[in-house]
Amino acid sequence: GAVVSQHPSRVICKSGTSVKIECRSLDFQATTMFWYRQFPKQSLMLMATSNEGSKATYEQGVEKDKFLINHASLTLSTLTVTSAHPEDSSFYICSARAPSQSPFWEDQPQHFGDGTRLSIL
Amino acid sequence: AQTVTQSQPEMSVQEAETVTLSCTYDTSESDYYLFWYKQPPSRQMILVIRQEAYKQQNATENRFSVNFQKAAKSFSLKISDSQLGDAAMYFCAYRSQYNNNDMRFGAGTRLTVKP
Repeated sequence: GAVVSQHPSRVICKSGTSVKIECRSLDFQATTMFWYRQFPKQSLMLMATSNEGSKATYEQGVEKDKFLINHASLTLSTLTVTSAHPEDSSFYICSARAPSQSPFWEDQPQHFGDGTRLSIL
Repeated sequence: AQTVTQSQPEMSVQEAETVTLSCTYDTSESDYYLFWYKQPPSRQMILVIRQEAYKQQNATENRFSVNFQKAAKSFSLKISDSQLGDAAMYFCAYRSQYNNNDMRFGAGTRLTVKP
């Protein structure tokens, strides 16, 4: 099955530092990648959608200058949390989706990474 | 906007028994996809089952099956012969066919399997 690798799995850092999280599709080309945030005991909230080679589309309320997303290739997207503060502490999950294939052009499923637990001290 | 509601924060089932997790959604669209995802303690989201709204037949995947009631906007998940490994958070999700980048998740149901 399709595999999405997310790295690192856990990060602990000081307030004010920037943290980069990588999301890779290992065995398929992902034209679209998604970044979610999950608070404890809550559901996933979509932060942004990125398409390879273009700017990410951010959901309402998500600061694009705070959460920088780069989707430079068909297998890699990165999320950089800039000048992180304790309120940015959360579980971040990426997912990737391959483009629809002919002849049915059926929508491809999203495959999720293992997530990154970010703790800002 | 589409919303997904899971009214059961927690459910419990005896091993080998059957359990049904509820999900309702609100939409004005006629074409869409519905999903059930499992999130075990390892935290990776795993697709359990998927249903296309245009299909009348309920999707099944081994011990997992759904009861899709389009008119009622209901999409419940039935787990038969429950196993200890089924213990996890289960999320119901909706995705529009017209905006396939927008997946909405329910709040989740934590399933406990008792030996």
